[in-house]
Amino acid sequence: DSGVTQTPKHLITATGQRVTLRCSPRSGDLSVYWYQQSLDQGLQFLIQYYNGEERAKGNILERFSAQQFPDLHSELNLSSLELGDSALYFCASSVDGLEQETQYFGPGTRLLVL
Amino acid sequence: EDKVVQSPLSLVVHEGDTVTLNCSYEVTNFRSLLWYKQEKKAPTFLFMLTSSGIEKKSGRLSSILDKKELFSILNITATQTGDSAVYLCALNTDKLIFGTGTRLQVFP
Repeated sequence: DSGVTQTPKHLITATGQRVTLRCSPRSGDLSVYWYQQSLDQGLQFLIQYYNGEERAKGNILERFSAQQFPDLHSELNLSSLELGDSALYFCASSVDGLEQETQYFGPGTRLLVL
Repeated sequence: EDKVVQSPLSLVVHEGDTVTLNCSYEVTNFRSLLWYKQEKKAPTFLFMLTSSGIEKKSGRLSSILDKKELFSILNITATQTGDSAVYLCALNTDKLIFGTGTRLQVFP
């Protein structure tokens, strides 16, 4: 158990819909990362937040957005869902998102878009 | 463009065999190289390597980084069925850049 929690565990939805994935970082961690893992793409970095502010952006689509709240939990919003958005979405946290830090991963949310 | 390539893509061995997993990279600046083991769910952290030529060891697993030749290897000796997983290598820049992983299957 890494100390990072993610909800929900599984999500099944239809194309065109919008979903919100939630992540609570480890106690004391200020930085949160979101990743997408699909079968053909491997693990892709989406976005990083530090203490409520966006710090780094990866391969995140315009249909996706994220935020980190004052209590440091984060939400990833996926809208206008397409079949290809079906994937495992991981959240990770680290103390301050700076050098040589280990990221601790949550258990992931499995999204299936039908 | 930064790139991390792992080989082989897939590996099938019998219990007791030793395996070597490779991670080569084309990344201009990075702070560390990380190895993760992913079973059914989230990746679990194995090693963080920052210095070239210094082996890190944990039980039957060991890893080393070669910054001159731009690669790292992960060795697993006396493999067990519980070692079956996808092993991910990642470079830590401002973000983690992952390779696609090596799938290891260990049969009794």
